[in-house]
Amino acid sequence: NAGVMQNPRHLVRRRGQEARLRCSPMKGHSHVYWYRQLPEEGLKFMVYLQKENIIDESGMPKERFSAEFPKEGPSILRIQQVVRGDSAAYFCASSQRQGLNTEAFFGQGTRLTVV
Amino acid sequence: DQQVKQNSPSLSVQEGRISILNCDYTNSMFDYFLWYKKYPAEGPTFLISISSIKDKNEDGRFTVFLNKSAKHLSLHIVPSQPGDSAVYFCAASGSETSGSRLTFGEGTQLTVNP
Repeated sequence: NAGVMQNPRHLVRRRGQEARLRCSPMKGHSHVYWYRQLPEEGLKFMVYLQKENIIDESGMPKERFSAEFPKEGPSILRIQQVVRGDSAAYFCASSQRQGLNTEAFFGQGTRLTVV
Repeated sequence: DQQVKQNSPSLSVQEGRISILNCDYTNSMFDYFLWYKKYPAEGPTFLISISSIKDKNEDGRFTVFLNKSAKHLSLHIVPSQPGDSAVYFCAASGSETSGSRLTFGEGTQLTVNP
């Protein structure tokens, strides 16, 4: 899935710092999804965005987390004042259109470690 | 509330034999199901999907079966190959308004022994 690009691949932050994770969707895709995978767990939906709009953020923690997908540039997942419990793999996925029968393609993920 | 469950955390099979991975769901609104394969340190890779209007979908060595009344689906891999060793995630979606938002199971680690 080289088409969905996430960077950085690995990110280490100290408690209280900010983490910024970037995702460039596949060419022609305007729908972006962020998922989080905690150790020994499956992927959990966080947020669904289209260009300049947040469509569904029901999986986002209420505080410290935010996401955007500007008209130009990658989608950004921002975590302020990180804590140890934020350590996880964060995956971005993109799709060409909305709705059923639409496969989402995933990036390789950003592994965040909070020390 | 785990709406998609994969009750077997691991499965080990011999090369050439059939691998059967199982998945159960509780949400009746789900009507599209997908299987993803994931290698360590990589993102999930789409494998095969099935719509609720079907009960079987086949693609090469991979077949997915859906039993709507039992809210159960399974992935069959035959013959299994060592390169199939990976974590397999079952995922489901159901609402047009949620786009392609997916609800994932916990995953099953498949090991295919040569």
